[in-house]
Amino acid sequence: DGGITQSPKYLFRKEGQNVTLSCEQNLNHDAMYWYRQDPGQGLRLIYYSQIVNDFQKGDIAEGYSVSREKKESFPLTVTSAQKNPTAFYLCASSWLGDTDTQYFGPGTRLTVL
Amino acid sequence: GENVEQHPSTLSVQEGDSAVIKCTYSDSASNYFPWYKQELGKRPQLIIDIRSNVGEKKDQRIAVTLNKTAKHFSLHITETQPEDSAVYFCAASIRGGYQKVTFGTGTKLQVIP
Repeated sequence: DGGITQSPKYLFRKEGQNVTLSCEQNLNHDAMYWYRQDPGQGLRLIYYSQIVNDFQKGDIAEGYSVSREKKESFPLTVTSAQKNPTAFYLCASSWLGDTDTQYFGPGTRLTVL
Repeated sequence: GENVEQHPSTLSVQEGDSAVIKCTYSDSASNYFPWYKQELGKRPQLIIDIRSNVGEKKDQRIAVTLNKTAKHFSLHITETQPEDSAVYFCAASIRGGYQKVTFGTGTKLQVIP
C-alpha cells in the first residue's frame, strides 16, 4: 500500500472555509490525478497533471484548485465555491507511456459541517 | 468524451458461484480497460486489465473478456469467496501520452457464505 499517501484521512470543514487535501507519491510517477467519489456515482475526475507546473481541469473542476510545484506532490484545495464538497477524495498517480495503471492513495473523507 | 456504463449496480451470489459484471464504452479509440476492486473505506486497487489487442485475460479465479466490435467488456469471478465482497469498477482509457481514465459507476458484489 505504500508509495502514494493522502492526508488527513478525515477532514471537517465549516461552510465558507477553504481546505487543502494533501497527496504525496514516491513512485517517481509523472502523472497525478484527483477524483471525487460519491455513493453510486463511481469516480469523477477533478484535476490531473502530467508534469510539474502543468495541470488540466477534469470533468468536475468547478470549486476546486490544484498546484504541482513538485513532481511528488499534488495538493487539492476545496474552495468555498464548491457547493456540495462532502465526499470521499482519492488521489492517484501513474507513469506516462506504456504502463498506464493508476495507483490510488488511501483517500480523504471530507465532511462539511 | 468517453462514457462507460456498468451493470448491475448490485450483485449477490452464493459462495462458490460465479459472478459477472458487464461494462460498455462509447469511444472506439479506447484501448485499455482496467478493473479495480474497492473494499469498504479503502482505496481502489487494480485486479486485472486488458488491452484492445486481446480478447480475454485470466488470472486465477478472475477473467476479463473484451468485445471491441460491440464495445463491451466483462469481469468474471469464479468460485466466489466472502473476501470477494467489494465494489468493483470498470474503466476505459486511451493509452499513450496522457491517459484520461473514465470509470463506470461501480458494482457492489456481496458473496453470501
